Amino acid sequence: GAVVSQHPSRVICKSGTSVKIECRSLDFQATTMFWYRQFPKQSLMLMATSNEGSKATYEQGVEKDKFLINHASLTLSTLTVTSAHPEDSSFYICSARPRRSGNTIYFGEGSWLTVV
Amino acid sequence: RKEVEQDPGPFNVPEGATVAFNCTYSNSASQSFFWYRQDCRKEPKLLMSVYSSGNEDGRFTAQLNRASQYISLLIRDSKLSDSATYLCVVNAGNMLTFGGGTRLMVKP
Repeated sequence: GAVVSQHPSRVICKSGTSVKIECRSLDFQATTMFWYRQFPKQSLMLMATSNEGSKATYEQGVEKDKFLINHASLTLSTLTVTSAHPEDSSFYICSARPRRSGNTIYFGEGSWLTVV
Repeated sequence: RKEVEQDPGPFNVPEGATVAFNCTYSNSASQSFFWYRQDCRKEPKLLMSVYSSGNEDGRFTAQLNRASQYISLLIRDSKLSDSATYLCVVNAGNMLTFGGGTRLMVKP
């Protein structure tokens, strides 16, 4: 079946630094990738939708200059958390929609970010 | 009103019980529907799509009621391993909207 790989699975960084999270679709081309954030005991919150070759569409309240999303190819999207602060500590998950499958989406394993 | 609403639970049920979750959605243009399962500190995984005629996969049955704009998930003969959060996902155009999830705890 379709597989989406996310890396790193866990990262600890110092406040003020930047962290990059990668999301790769391993056996399919993804025209659309989604980035979510999930705080403990809360639901997934969509941060942005990225389409290959174009700028990401950010949800209301998500700072595009703080959360940089790049979707340079049909198999890779990256999320960079710039100037991270402790309140950015969260579980970040990407998902990808295969070009061929229509509506089904597949999730990456998620990345736990801790900012100290 | 949220676009996709679920009772957060938790639903505490004994092993072997039958349990049902509902999910209501507000966008009448929604085209496709899914149930995902999320274990603690893990990513969501697709449990099943929901078809208009209803569909069954083993102990799991999903149904869609377009007129009332809700979908349901029925789990029969609950197992301890069914303990998780169940997320309702609604697709309209290119927009995927998640419900807040319903937490299920199956007790011995």
